[in-house]
Amino acid sequence: GAVVSQHPSWVICKSGTSVKIECRSLDFQATTMFWYRQFPKQSLMLMATSNEGSKATYEQGVEKDKFLINHASLTLSTLTVTSAHPEDSSFYICSARDLRDGNYYGNTIYFGEGSWLTVV
Amino acid sequence: RKEVEQDPGPFNVPEGATVAFNCTYSNSASQSFFWYRQDCRKEPKLLMSVYSSGNEDGRFTAQLNRASQYISLLIRDSKLSDSATYLCVVGGGAGNKLTFGGGTRVLVKP
Repeated sequence: GAVVSQHPSWVICKSGTSVKIECRSLDFQATTMFWYRQFPKQSLMLMATSNEGSKATYEQGVEKDKFLINHASLTLSTLTVTSAHPEDSSFYICSARDLRDGNYYGNTIYFGEGSWLTVV
Repeated sequence: RKEVEQDPGPFNVPEGATVAFNCTYSNSASQSFFWYRQDCRKEPKLLMSVYSSGNEDGRFTAQLNRASQYISLLIRDSKLSDSATYLCVVGGGAGNKLTFGGGTRVLVKP
């Protein structure tokens, strides 16, 4: 099946620094990728929808300038957490939709393995 | 009110028993419904889609009730490996945007 890869899996950074997380679709093209955040014992919360070649669409309450999303190609989206603080520590997961899939509402969202961010 | 609501559990289930739980959703225009499974500190993985007529996949049965706006998941003959958090996921609208429930934790014990 389709594979989505995230990197890094784990990252620890100092408060005030920026961290970049990559999300790659390995064997398919994805015009749309989604970025989620999950705090312990809570559900996944959609942060933004990343569209190839255009600006990301952010969910209400998500700071655009803090969580920079770039989707420069059909196989790569990046999330940069700028000036990270301890409260940004979380599990960040991306997902991607296969461009070839004609079933617009089908079960063709593929998740990356997730990235654990710890800000100290 | 949350868009997708689930009983967080945990549901403590003896091995071999049957467990069932529901998920309610608020958006009547929702188009697609799924159950995902998430193991501790891992990404969610698709367990099964939920179709209007109900569907079964081995020991797992999913039902959709559009009138009452809920979906259900039933697990028969529970295995220890079924211990996980089950996420109800509802999709609809442009871009396949998915909304996740908070998850129902299931613990299968010997």
